[in-house]
Amino acid sequence: ETGVTQSPTHLIKTRGQQVTLRCSSQSGHNTVSWYQQALGQGPQFIFQYYREEENGRGNFPPRFSGLQFPNYSSELNVNALELDDSALYLCASSLDGGPGGTEAFFGQGTRLTVV
Amino acid sequence: AQSVTQLGSHVSVSEGALVLLRCNYSSSVPPYLFWYVQYPNQGLQLLLKYTSAATLVKGINGFEAEFKKSETSFHLTKPSAHMSDAAEYFCAVSGPRGNTGKLIFGQGTTLQVKP
Repeated sequence: ETGVTQSPTHLIKTRGQQVTLRCSSQSGHNTVSWYQQALGQGPQFIFQYYREEENGRGNFPPRFSGLQFPNYSSELNVNALELDDSALYLCASSLDGGPGGTEAFFGQGTRLTVV
Repeated sequence: AQSVTQLGSHVSVSEGALVLLRCNYSSSVPPYLFWYVQYPNQGLQLLLKYTSAATLVKGINGFEAEFKKSETSFHLTKPSAHMSDAAEYFCAVSGPRGNTGKLIFGQGTTLQVKP
């Protein structure tokens, strides 16, 4: 059973640029959720993808967008990067959105620094 | 709407002492509750979860938590702290219909263990 993997692990971008972060979900999982964790804060829910469709979104602007592929891997895209986008981005995979209490498994995160 | 409050951003204990990390939640529906641990520069690891079964939940590494509906609390305890327990701890409540991919996290508590 493979775990959740994210790439890259670290990234430095310039303000105004665009970035794509990638996540491979755990084997057997069909749901991917993305979180932003600013320094010293708890993770904040960005959005979730279930069977390639967006299944809920947190309080993030439209320049945060995503995709889920037929193999259930996912991408998070951020356009027009701002300094406040600097954070650890976490991906979590689960089964069927996790109803019934099945847990979400997190990747190790991508540390994005915007300069 | 769901929310989580963790009381105390920093907790310091001596090795061998009791660990108590406090979490209070607000939820309009019966909640699923979780404790996650995060080591430096890593993702989140599930310690334990409450999903409406037994109110006393046992997790990994000797941690346990008790769900108290009357107090809307889900405090995390460990009888004897170990140096390796030093980390950031997050309490979380699941989103609508128990979707465990849509988690609302508290701000986190940093646990320091002194020799």
